[in-house]
Amino acid sequence: KNQVEQSPQSLIILEGKNCTLQCNYTVSPFSNLRWYKQDTGRGPVSLTIMTFSENTKSNGRYTATLDADTKQSSLHITASQLSDSASYICVVSASNAGNMLTFGGGTRLMVKP
Amino acid sequence: DAGVIQSPRHEVTEMGQEVTLRCKPISGHDYLFWYRQTMMRGLELLIYFNNNVPIDDSGMPEDRFSAKMPNASFSTLKIQPSEPRDSAVYFCASSLESPAGGETQYFGPGTRLLVL
Repeated sequence: KNQVEQSPQSLIILEGKNCTLQCNYTVSPFSNLRWYKQDTGRGPVSLTIMTFSENTKSNGRYTATLDADTKQSSLHITASQLSDSASYICVVSASNAGNMLTFGGGTRLMVKP
Repeated sequence: DAGVIQSPRHEVTEMGQEVTLRCKPISGHDYLFWYRQTMMRGLELLIYFNNNVPIDDSGMPEDRFSAKMPNASFSTLKIQPSEPRDSAVYFCASSLESPAGGETQYFGPGTRLLVL
């Protein structure tokens, strides 16, 4: 069964600090992995997408990594800001037809001043 | 473009009543998705359409739920009769191509449903 597990479930950090969110998956055959940011009361917004051949991809202060061998991904946030407070959701796609997307449960991040 | 539009934004109803949620996808997008989000279960895919045709409705919880897409610019998700356990945020999303191939999904603002 395809599964995506995220850790930690929640995290509190001080403004300006760095943090790393984890995503482990068992989706097969793997197609791509995407990180979404979901602000409170809004729909998820895509941050970055990783394909099989990509190890690292950055989007501003957000850097995603992918290890296809261990089936792990991380999202590193540098110099956190109050606006980074949100839920971060890892979503993995399988490449076989009819098996669209598998969602992780998300990590709820709170950045405190 | 205005993005994905959903209505209503909030809905409070009593158990047993019919609820209809509406979605207008981004113009030109061939895929439309309905999701449900709760604290306990996170985001769950209910059903998705490709070119107005339902492709996978395996996520629809039971016969009380139904979805239609009569044309490329409109879709509805109906719950009849509604139950308190249906209380959740329902998101509609659309994409140009299949997100399984890497295409970005764009989510609407969601409809917050509370069934008393």
